[in-house]
Amino acid sequence: AQSVTQLGSHVSVSEGALVLLRCNYSSSVPPYLFWYVQYPNQGLQLLLKYTSAATLVKGINGFEAEFKKSETSFHLTKPSAHMSDAAEYFCAVTASGNTGKLIFGQGTTLQVKP
Amino acid sequence: NAGVTQTPKFQVLKTGQSMTLQCAQDMNHNSMYWYRQDPGMGLRLIYYSASEGTTDKGEVPNGYNVSRLNKREFSLRLESAAPSQTSVYFCASWDTINEKLFFGSGTQLSVL
Repeated sequence: AQSVTQLGSHVSVSEGALVLLRCNYSSSVPPYLFWYVQYPNQGLQLLLKYTSAATLVKGINGFEAEFKKSETSFHLTKPSAHMSDAAEYFCAVTASGNTGKLIFGQGTTLQVKP
Repeated sequence: NAGVTQTPKFQVLKTGQSMTLQCAQDMNHNSMYWYRQDPGMGLRLIYYSASEGTTDKGEVPNGYNVSRLNKREFSLRLESAAPSQTSVYFCASWDTINEKLFFGSGTQLSVL
């Protein structure tokens, strides 16, 4: 069965600092992996995804993530945090292939300090 | 394009009351989904519809029913609301070409 674990429910960084949000997954099949972002009082929007192509995936707003099969990880990074990056971030894995049946992690709230 | 539209945005119910959450998408997607979001638990799948005319249970279906009215619309019904159903509910549709979920803006439901 598929599962996702996000390490750290809250992460705080200074503006301009590196952002690193951790995600580990478990999957019995080759996974599709996603990072979604949720701004206050809004729905979720896709940041980036991995679907068995390049292992380093670039997304919107300067975020990127690297799929590491040996470590079963899909950590999200951004070289320099901006105040507008403050939001909740969710890592997710598909239950099976090209489907919207996603298994979500618990979420990580990113705080950006001036 | 409106994308995925959910109504209502907020709702307060008393225990035992019923209500239906409405969802519509205008992107011609086949698959639609209902998730609930609870603090510290991420999003969990309640029900989904892989195509018009079909529905299936997700991870947490108890206390809910769904109807796929047509390709555009997928409603979620609480027959007898319980405090444990206090949550934020999201409807979503799946883009099979771009392999991503599109989410509505959510319904914040409180059951007293």
